[in-house]
Amino acid sequence: ETGVTQSPTHLIKTRGQQVTLRCSSQSGHNTVSWYQQALGQGPQFIFQYYREEENGRGNFPPRFSGLQFPNYSSELNVNALELDDSALYLCASSRLGQGAEQYFGPGTRLTVT
Amino acid sequence: RKEVEQDPGPFNVPEGATVAFNCTYSNSASQSFFWYRQDCRKEPKLLMSVYSSGNEDGRFTAQLNRASQYISLLIRDSKLSDSATYLCVVNLNSNSGYALNFGKGTSLLVTP
Repeated sequence: ETGVTQSPTHLIKTRGQQVTLRCSSQSGHNTVSWYQQALGQGPQFIFQYYREEENGRGNFPPRFSGLQFPNYSSELNVNALELDDSALYLCASSRLGQGAEQYFGPGTRLTVT
Repeated sequence: RKEVEQDPGPFNVPEGATVAFNCTYSNSASQSFFWYRQDCRKEPKLLMSVYSSGNEDGRFTAQLNRASQYISLLIRDSKLSDSATYLCVVNLNSNSGYALNFGKGTSLLVTP
């Protein structure tokens, strides 16, 4: 086990609603990255947080936002949900740095109806 | 063009067989390379990092060819438990931080 936890496990929301997903990082790690994985695709990078600041962002609209807390845990917020937001949302914990190995939590499966 | 490309498979092999997966990446500035495995409806799990000199971990061998921008994974003596999707992953330090870029994965089914 990686020690990375995520909640909730599953979630069903309606189009237009807002959702908050949570992630607790592995002990000793200071960086959290979030990914979206649609069915049949590889995970796509959303953003990364280090020292409570966004440290990089993928090609996702501003309605995807995040936070990192002093204990390195993190939240992903998605506003104005769309049907295409239905996916597995994964967080990965690591130390900061090139070559740092990222360890994934079990994910939150979000369904938007 | 996708940044990381893999043959999606599926690769169906008998137990005990040797199987090889290949992957190409488009950005020559890529600096770190990994293989992850992902079981159905589960999270990706790190299988191994890939080093320039090549590296081995038990039955698994990874190779990197920076000139050809090509990564490979060899699995010897396949086990039923090796059945999974294998994700080729490239890390590029850019203004996207230390983001991992994933291929779509190669599906492996090991049969009795």
